[in-house]
Amino acid sequence: QVQLQQSGTELVKPASSVKISCKASGYTFTSNYMHWIRQQPGNGLEWIGWIYPGNGNTKYNQKFDGKATLTADKSSSTAYMQLSSLTSEDSAVYFCARSRQLDYWGQGVMVTVSS
Amino acid sequence: DIQMTQSPSFLSASVGDRVTINCKASQNINKYLNWYQQKLGEAPKRLIYNTNNLQTGIPSRFSGSGSGTDYTLTISSLQPEDFATYFCLQHNSFPNTFGAGTKLELK
Repeated sequence: QVQLQQSGTELVKPASSVKISCKASGYTFTSNYMHWIRQQPGNGLEWIGWIYPGNGNTKYNQKFDGKATLTADKSSSTAYMQLSSLTSEDSAVYFCARSRQLDYWGQGVMVTVSS
Repeated sequence: DIQMTQSPSFLSASVGDRVTINCKASQNINKYLNWYQQKLGEAPKRLIYNTNNLQTGIPSRFSGSGSGTDYTLTISSLQPEDFATYFCLQHNSFPNTFGAGTKLELK
């Protein structure tokens, strides 16, 4: 069965970076898009971008260009998102989701940016 | 960006009730509309894809309809496990955009 297992909660300092992961299993990792989504109380859900692990192509929501960098490791079937120059406004739960249809989602990673 | 206006934001209902949740897009999204259920601390679960296609394993009390800019999720007879938050997603146009969510609470 399709599973997306995300890394654990992160507490990070302002101006730093964080890299969170999404390990896929139960399907062909290289043949499906992986999306990333942000959820913030009061701001709802925002689509960050996608990566196609088969060739590494990416597409970003303009809002997150320069903030998020998506990568994928085919050998471990793991997708990554690095968030840089963090501020308190980046505190959120971040999800990965599979395929053009966003059919299966990971459980989410809570990132808290605080000094 | 396409704006998705979801209503209502909160819905209070009883077991056995029929409920509807709506999403209105700011422009035609050609039926590329999914519905999800989210419970606290859990991964969102896709219920309906492309307006009216039921995800495998989802009970048939869930259904979707719509076209153009207006879409509806219907739960025909609420069960205790259905009290959760629901949101819509349009994936017709870049960037994908979401409704703000509907919290379905037990009356």
